[in-house]
Amino acid sequence: DGGITQSPKYLFRKEGQNVTLSCEQNLNHDAMYWYRQDPGQGLRLIYYSQIVNDFQKGDIAEGYSVSREKKESFPLTVTSAQKNPTAFYLCASSTGVANEQFFGPGTRLTVL
Amino acid sequence: GQNIDQPTEMTATEGAIVQINCTYQTSGFNGLFWYQQHAGEAPTFLSYNVLDGLEEKGRFSSFLSRSKGYSYLLLKELQMKDSASYLCAVRDSNYQLIWGAGTKLIIKP
Repeated sequence: DGGITQSPKYLFRKEGQNVTLSCEQNLNHDAMYWYRQDPGQGLRLIYYSQIVNDFQKGDIAEGYSVSREKKESFPLTVTSAQKNPTAFYLCASSTGVANEQFFGPGTRLTVL
Repeated sequence: GQNIDQPTEMTATEGAIVQINCTYQTSGFNGLFWYQQHAGEAPTFLSYNVLDGLEEKGRFSSFLSRSKGYSYLLLKELQMKDSASYLCAVRDSNYQLIWGAGTKLIIKP
């Protein structure tokens, strides 16, 4: 089955620790995205990548980092510099930036 | 600035019809999307409008007026499983999606 997987579904970390969220897709999509979702707010774009080995900052990139070494994978690292990391993180992919995005199941990160 | 407005919450009765409105002000326009999101789950694509008019897809329809910066999602024959949040998103001139905060729809028996 084609789709997007994110792991883990729930993640707990202590303040000051870096944490990496996984995102894998087998849809052969070129573009991948990371969003953050907070209660009462729309999805906010953290980073996106249109092609392997290239990525761009979104609206709220500070405190986050990404890599795109393989077409299928787009991991997100939440660093200790991110002031409010507790949130629901969604990964998405599309055939191109002009097309609909398909979402993974999300990772709920709680920083204690 | 860019802005998408949707009602925060709506309540409707099973079997009825509900219309969820979305107004937008964005830097350019390259299409409008509606997504459904059940609590704690991923958004799933419902509809896409780029030209004015109504797009119908089963029980769901979406309307767009570009001159008014306005769209609505119409849900007919409501079922309990339609209880979810409905997200409106506009693709701007840079092909980035600008998202509304979503409308939580509560269906009562």
